Amino acid sequence: GAGVSQSPSNKVTEKGKDVELRCDPISGHTALYWYRQRLGQGLEFLIYFQGNSAPDKSGLPSDRFSAERTGESVSTLTIQRTQQEDSAVYLCASSLGVAGLYEQYFGPGTRLTVT
Amino acid sequence: RKEVEQDPGPFNVPEGATVAFNCTYSNSASQSFFWYRQDCRKEPKLLMSVYSSGNEDGRFTAQLNRASQYISLLIRDSKLSDSATYLCVVPDNNAGNMLTFGGGTRLMVKP
Repeated sequence: GAGVSQSPSNKVTEKGKDVELRCDPISGHTALYWYRQRLGQGLEFLIYFQGNSAPDKSGLPSDRFSAERTGESVSTLTIQRTQQEDSAVYLCASSLGVAGLYEQYFGPGTRLTVT
Repeated sequence: RKEVEQDPGPFNVPEGATVAFNCTYSNSASQSFFWYRQDCRKEPKLLMSVYSSGNEDGRFTAQLNRASQYISLLIRDSKLSDSATYLCVVPDNNAGNMLTFGGGTRLMVKP
């Protein structure tokens, strides 16, 4: 079946502009995660959605970052007033349920470059 | 101390060798652990889950030492295709359902 998809695959933007990244999880997956991975670094947790519960935003690095999810489907991650340090690959993952019990399936990521 | 710590490597080994990586974690309440594999410029994919003392799948063996708070991954008879970065993942049960990823250990298997 279809896996997790993300768009765009690459995004180049100028410093100060806003960007919106999209994630389509696997159908039926109630949990959705956003991560950031800087070049040569590990994954950094950003935000977690589980069903209709309030999202866990504890990983968002600043108030320039926000994310929304429509029900148990598509999610968007918005970065306002982008900075060069925002350059990274943004990975989305979905799973059938809570972390620690279910495998996470990752999308191919969006490579963001802020010039 | 980092919550999940791994030796970044790279580990350079010849084909057919046995290689082991360790991952140490700080959250003693963690109950389950995962090893993910990430190929260069690709997304991570689950390699193994570890819920009790260990798990074995073909050439791959994961072992958990709760007393010392580390997980190991052993790869026997290394293949060229095993070249990748191996990520240790520990759920933080005290922080909702956040997963903490280690920085990864890079493995390069040479002919």
